[in-house]
Amino acid sequence: NAGVTQTPKFQVLKTGQSMTLQCAQDMNHEYMSWYRQDPGMGLRLIHYSVGAGITDQGEVPNGYNVSRSTTEDFPLRLLSAAPSQTSVYFCASSYRGGSTDTQYFGPGTRLTVL
Amino acid sequence: AQSVTQPDIHITVSEGASLELRCNYSYGATPYLFWYVQSPGQGLQLLLKYFSGDTLVQGIKGFEAEFKRSQSSFNLRKPSVHWSDAAEYFCAVGGFLLISNFGNEKLTFGTGTRLTIIP
Repeated sequence: NAGVTQTPKFQVLKTGQSMTLQCAQDMNHEYMSWYRQDPGMGLRLIHYSVGAGITDQGEVPNGYNVSRSTTEDFPLRLLSAAPSQTSVYFCASSYRGGSTDTQYFGPGTRLTVL
Repeated sequence: AQSVTQPDIHITVSEGASLELRCNYSYGATPYLFWYVQSPGQGLQLLLKYFSGDTLVQGIKGFEAEFKRSQSSFNLRKPSVHWSDAAEYFCAVGGFLLISNFGNEKLTFGTGTRLTIIP
């Protein structure tokens, strides 16, 4: 099992550019989520999905889009990057719900927006 | 709303010394409590979790944590730290409070405690 994989590991964008952060898991988990990690703020939930075709917003969804067409993949799209989106992004998955089950995290994507 | 407080931003301990990392939570029902560890440049890994039952839970790498409902705390301990324990540690709280369209999706993390080990 590869677990949760994320690509790219690093990315630099200019303000206004768009990009997609990829996330995939091979554990057949129903629940997947995206977090951002900023210094002194811990991890904050951006979006999550409870299964293919079902997504919902987390704490900080503005500026981000998600979709879930398959169980394995959960990409995060930045529509028009802003410097405030400079952060480390983690994708996570779990078998059941996000708040009662062990989360398995990917290695992260470090994004810088200039 | 649920919340987690980790009052220590940075802790330094000597190798072989004991360790206690503090975590206080606020939650309106029976909490699900987690400790995760993040090594430099890595994602988070689960150390241990508490759902119910025995209030002293054992985790991986020799860590343990004790749930104290009266103090709303879930402190992480290790009797003797190793240099490889240097990392950032996150406490998190979750549970079955309805906060979204789909129910129990809210896992709240603390801001983390960075642990430095000195030889």
